[in-house]
Amino acid sequence: DQQVKQNSPSLSVQEGRISILNCDYTNSMFDYFLWYKKYPAEGPTFLISISSIKDKNEDGRFTVFLNKSAKHLSLHIVPSQPGDSAVYFCAASGYGGATNKLIFGTGTLLAVQP
Amino acid sequence: SQTIHQWPATLVQPVGSPLSLECTVEGTSNPNLYWYRQAAGRGLQLLFYSVGIGQISSEVPQNLSASRPQDRQFILSSKKLLLSDSGFYLCAWSATGGNSPLHFGNGTRLTVT
Repeated sequence: DQQVKQNSPSLSVQEGRISILNCDYTNSMFDYFLWYKKYPAEGPTFLISISSIKDKNEDGRFTVFLNKSAKHLSLHIVPSQPGDSAVYFCAASGYGGATNKLIFGTGTLLAVQP
Repeated sequence: SQTIHQWPATLVQPVGSPLSLECTVEGTSNPNLYWYRQAAGRGLQLLFYSVGIGQISSEVPQNLSASRPQDRQFILSSKKLLLSDSGFYLCAWSATGGNSPLHFGNGTRLTVT
């Protein structure tokens, strides 16, 4: 059972426009959500996170929105740049305690066209 | 600053051979450590995590094992590799406690032939 879903395997956007990546989750116990960026043959790089007590978190060109009632989060990149081309993973956790075991989606490949 | 080292970057091993992947973290003490695997076209699956020396928790039954002989060292092993063990293996660390991001190494591409 896929608890974190990214239904769009790929997305193509023009440079300078907004990129919107979407993620849905099924487990209502999740209370911490993250976005990672991954280039080929490299490990994922942490981008931005949001806790369930917020509905928006912003860091430069990256903004994450959380809709708890819909169990949906999204990552907005404005303006998009060619260097943003990568696979983006959303992840969630809700186990608390001493660890932070993240459940990942399957990723969305973003291509930003110059 | 904290850094994580993982090696080797690529590995080709025959079926039935042993495996040892190593991961070390610098610049932090008592981190939580994790092993993830990314199979082709799939997301990242958590294999093992550790909250301290000698403390290993397994998430999925499989042909692999993990050990943490030192505070900042995490090792992934197998006695006999299977074809299905092929994949991209990632080590990660996080600060202790919940709601902190994981920081990943650059991964090992394992091909079992």
